[in-house]
Amino acid sequence: DAGVIQSPRHEVTEMGQEVTLRCKLISGHNSLFWYRQTMMRGLELLIYFNNNVPIDDSGMPEDRFSAKMPNASFSTLKIQPSEPRDSAVYFCASSLALQGSNQPQHFGDGTRLSIL
Amino acid sequence: KQEVTQIPAALSVPEGENLVLNCSFTDSAIYNLQWFRQDPGKGLTSLLLIQSSQREQTSGRLNASLDKSSGRSTLYIAASQPGDSATYLCAVPSGGTDKLIFGTGTRLQVFP
Repeated sequence: DAGVIQSPRHEVTEMGQEVTLRCKLISGHNSLFWYRQTMMRGLELLIYFNNNVPIDDSGMPEDRFSAKMPNASFSTLKIQPSEPRDSAVYFCASSLALQGSNQPQHFGDGTRLSIL
Repeated sequence: KQEVTQIPAALSVPEGENLVLNCSFTDSAIYNLQWFRQDPGKGLTSLLLIQSSQREQTSGRLNASLDKSSGRSTLYIAASQPGDSATYLCAVPSGGTDKLIFGTGTRLQVFP
């Protein structure tokens, strides 16, 4: 059974360029989470969706960041324009959210982003 | 505001030892707590999820306990092996949402 799939695994680009990170959820899951991990701040939630609807985007750093779910199984996280301080590992996770039931989140292997 | 703390930050032990990793949280109004493992260059793997109504969960050599009233959880690893070497993170939901707040992790090294 395929897990959460993220692409690309690594991205190196110059400051000012647009960056698009992609995530495919586990089949049947209905919640999608985007996290960012850095040495200084650890693992932080950027945004999460339930049934394609953004529920909490309070962790999105600023307007340069945007996330979408064009369909139930796929999501993108865009940074435009990118800055060196955006360099981090970005993780996507999915889960099956059921009312009254707690389900674990399953993580992808992440995208290591370096902005020069 | 929920804050999650893990101690120790790093641990290095010989193979075969029994280990206890600690996690504490400031807001006890949680509905579950999760323990994850992260290997270098990889994402997180969920190890155990403890519901708020439970006191412990077991999976193989791992046992996690939860004491909501004191804001603490422990992860017990029995008979540690070199393959257990990884960073272990605990996480709790923020408020009544699915938003997880993570601890800073315990980096474990088990040497042969």
